[in-house]
Amino acid sequence: DTEVTQTPKHLVMGMTNKKSLKCEQHMGHRAMYWYKQKAKKPPELMFVYSYEKLSINESVPSRFSPECPNSSLLNLHLHALQPEDSALYLCASSQVPGPVVHEQFFGPGTRLTVL
Amino acid sequence: KQEVTQIPAALSVPEGENLVLNCSFTDSAIYNLQWFRQDPGKGLTSLLLIQSSQREQTSGRLNASLDKSSGRSTLYIAASQPGDSATYLCAVSNTGGFKTIFGAGTRLFVKA
Repeated sequence: DTEVTQTPKHLVMGMTNKKSLKCEQHMGHRAMYWYKQKAKKPPELMFVYSYEKLSINESVPSRFSPECPNSSLLNLHLHALQPEDSALYLCASSQVPGPVVHEQFFGPGTRLTVL
Repeated sequence: KQEVTQIPAALSVPEGENLVLNCSFTDSAIYNLQWFRQDPGKGLTSLLLIQSSQREQTSGRLNASLDKSSGRSTLYIAASQPGDSATYLCAVSNTGGFKTIFGAGTRLFVKA
């Protein structure tokens, strides 16, 4: 199984809502990533988890709160978002980088619209 | 700060042509370089991964090369097909391999 799944596929939320994005993989990968991709732009790294611990936070606003409850799951909790946060949110996983850096596998993304 | 540039930004070719997509990066201290394909509104599909110690990788009609010293990579697509139409992204990993920085992509359209 080389699949990364993400739910929901689409999400529309108001600026006062609280919602969560979910990501799951069963490849035994211990590194998981959140990326944000605006239209016609490349993905931008938001967070990296390694062995279920937050390794990298790319100065992301606190209205985005990541969580890695176990080695297969990665969540992104959303609260008080702004319309400019509307984007495709991509999850990825890989083996933890070591002497060799392995490829990342991406999910299909969640298309988020903030009204 | 690592910067990744892809040229051209867009490319339209007739079916059957061989083509080359270019990627350049400013910091040669990379762990690997990965080429991805992205269809509109979809996630990324990994095409080829080249470790920093390697010079090229091949998969079917695709061949990717890496010249770390000059900060360049190319993706060669042989005998292009309409199904190859997509955006192709190159990405380099550094900072212990955790940080992946993407180029803006090349939008490819293969005409039947």
